[in-house]
Amino acid sequence: GAVVSQHPSWVICKSGTSVKIECRSLDFQATTMFWYRQFPKQSLMLMATSNEGSKATYEQGVEKDKFLINHASLTLSTLTVTSAHPEDSSFYICSARVGGLGYEQYFGPGTRLTVT
Amino acid sequence: QKEVEQDPGPLSVPEGAIVSLNCTYSNSAFQYFMWYRQYSRKGPELLMYTYSSGNKEDGRFTAQVDKSSKYISLFIRDSQPSDSATYLCAMSEYTGTASKLTFGTGTRLQVTL
Repeated sequence: GAVVSQHPSWVICKSGTSVKIECRSLDFQATTMFWYRQFPKQSLMLMATSNEGSKATYEQGVEKDKFLINHASLTLSTLTVTSAHPEDSSFYICSARVGGLGYEQYFGPGTRLTVT
Repeated sequence: QKEVEQDPGPLSVPEGAIVSLNCTYSNSAFQYFMWYRQYSRKGPELLMYTYSSGNKEDGRFTAQVDKSSKYISLFIRDSQPSDSATYLCAMSEYTGTASKLTFGTGTRLQVTL
């Protein structure tokens, strides 16, 4: 149980275009999902907390107009990187919490974004 | 000083060895503790989670929490080459929607034949 999927697993896009990444909880409902970014050989950096039916909460220094997050249902959250630039190239990982009261998070397999 | 300190390694052990991975933390408000395993280019996989001091065992894995010393450990018995990965400790102050995880930097483990 507690499986989280991401799509796509790998994407290459041209500078200036937008890319959408989907995060789904497959066997549970997730009122809260999280989006992280990870650079090579570094730990995870929380970008934003996504709550179903409400606006996402962004961490300090994360541009909310650049990284658009939508959590339209209890099983789906999306991250759209708008007007992507090469410095946005990274590994993006989502996670979800089972229900609303647990503390442990289950992670997706990640999406590798390369902006050329 | 970081809130969570973790030795980045790499830690190299022979197959069958007992592995000890550790994290220390400075925020006494942390109540909930997790260990994740991350293979290269993959998302972290939850191994263990606990909110109480003491030991919690699951198969070859034992998580140990000492809140008085602000120190947590993960022990891996009979280590296998497939255990070679980066191990991340994570902790949070709360449960529920307010809860965010604070991660250690991760320890890279290599189990050799």
